[in-house]
Amino acid sequence: QQQVKQSPQSLIVQKGGISIINCAYENTAFDYFPWYQQFPGKGPALLIAIRPDVSEKKEGRFTISFNKSAKQFSLHIMDSQPGDSATYFCAAMSSGSRLTFGEGTQLTVNP
Amino acid sequence: DTGVSQNPRHKITKRGQNVTFRCDPISEHNRLYWYRQTLGQGPEFLTYFQNEAQLEKSRLLSDRFSAERPKGSFSTLEIQRTEQGDSAMYLCASSLGTIGREKLFFGSGTQLSVL
Repeated sequence: QQQVKQSPQSLIVQKGGISIINCAYENTAFDYFPWYQQFPGKGPALLIAIRPDVSEKKEGRFTISFNKSAKQFSLHIMDSQPGDSATYFCAAMSSGSRLTFGEGTQLTVNP
Repeated sequence: DTGVSQNPRHKITKRGQNVTFRCDPISEHNRLYWYRQTLGQGPEFLTYFQNEAQLEKSRLLSDRFSAERPKGSFSTLEIQRTEQGDSAMYLCASSLGTIGREKLFFGSGTQLSVL
């Protein structure tokens, strides 16, 4: 039972370009939507998060766009850098219980 | 180092053996989570504790799996009679209960290989 669907599975972007990763969820009880970044051999690290009462949140080069009616949210990475090459996971949580993760997107930023 | 610590980093075992992993959370965090991650997939929830109480268990946590957090600090995850399908990265995460409970901090995981 996949409650959070993520796309694309992989993404290749040129340095300086915009990386966009999309997620869709089913459970309307979800009230917290984070994005995690994972490098090989490491655990996921929290990147940025949003709650459904706002439509956008920006932190540096990272922006989350949230569409509550469509039950979709996305991560935009502006001015993508080779150091951003990693696997990105969207996730969702309901009432502070468990995090449910998407399948992940492997991002490669070419120099 | 004040992050989440997991030991061992790697474990190779033969099918049918028992294995135990340890997680030391960030010291003031009272929530502790266990997740399992297979190659190319997102982490899958196994169980979580608030202090020493195990509040939720996934259906993925079969009767061969047991997790404990006896004193509300470190936690252990034991897998009995390991199977090849248990091969995965086992991740531990912690968070500060109530305020900040949603911000999970993950360790680097224990990579289990069952031969």
